[in-house]
Amino acid sequence: DQQVKQNSPSLSVQEGRISILNCDYTNSMFDYFLWYKKYPAEGPTFLISISSIKDKNEDGRFTVFLNKSAKHLSLHIVPSQPGDSAVYFCAASGGGTGANNLFFGTGTRLTVIP
Amino acid sequence: DGGITQSPKYLFRKEGQNVTLSCEQNLNHDAMYWYRQDPGQGLRLIYYSQIVNDFQKGDIAEGYSVSREKKESFPLTVTSAQKNPTAFYLCASSPGQETQYFGPGTRLLVL
Repeated sequence: DQQVKQNSPSLSVQEGRISILNCDYTNSMFDYFLWYKKYPAEGPTFLISISSIKDKNEDGRFTVFLNKSAKHLSLHIVPSQPGDSAVYFCAASGGGTGANNLFFGTGTRLTVIP
Repeated sequence: DGGITQSPKYLFRKEGQNVTLSCEQNLNHDAMYWYRQDPGQGLRLIYYSQIVNDFQKGDIAEGYSVSREKKESFPLTVTSAQKNPTAFYLCASSPGQETQYFGPGTRLLVL
């Protein structure tokens, strides 16, 4: 059973506009959430994370929002750039699920159109 | 430079053959992980190790084996018992906190 879900397999956005990638989870024990960016045939690169004690974390053009009551998180990229085109994975970890083990969503392919 | 290296980049396996994928890190991280990625799917955990000489099965450990004799090395063997080994294999390490850092991956193909 998929505990972390990314229901949009793909997203296309115009350069300069906002990209919003969504992620839902089912396990209320998760207390740490991460976003990774992945290019084909390469390993995922860590982007940004958020602890469950926060509801927002910013790092440059990237902001992650966490809504614990809805078990939902989102990644906002503003402004979007062509180099942002990649597959984005959200991941979660937390007490009771195995120390530091990450549970991944299936990914969303972002295409930023110049 | 500090980082995680995986070799080889591509690996071919013949029927009934065991093959070993290498993963090395010089980040002084305690924990190391092996994941498998199939097309259109997320990463699934095969094995993990939180400390030298100790490792635990992940969600899909059947047909795989690992060892952790040194802190910096965590090789993965894909045995002949793994009936569907074709995938992209990713190694990761972590300093003990939640964030994991990944290597470049090894693509395994069956001849």
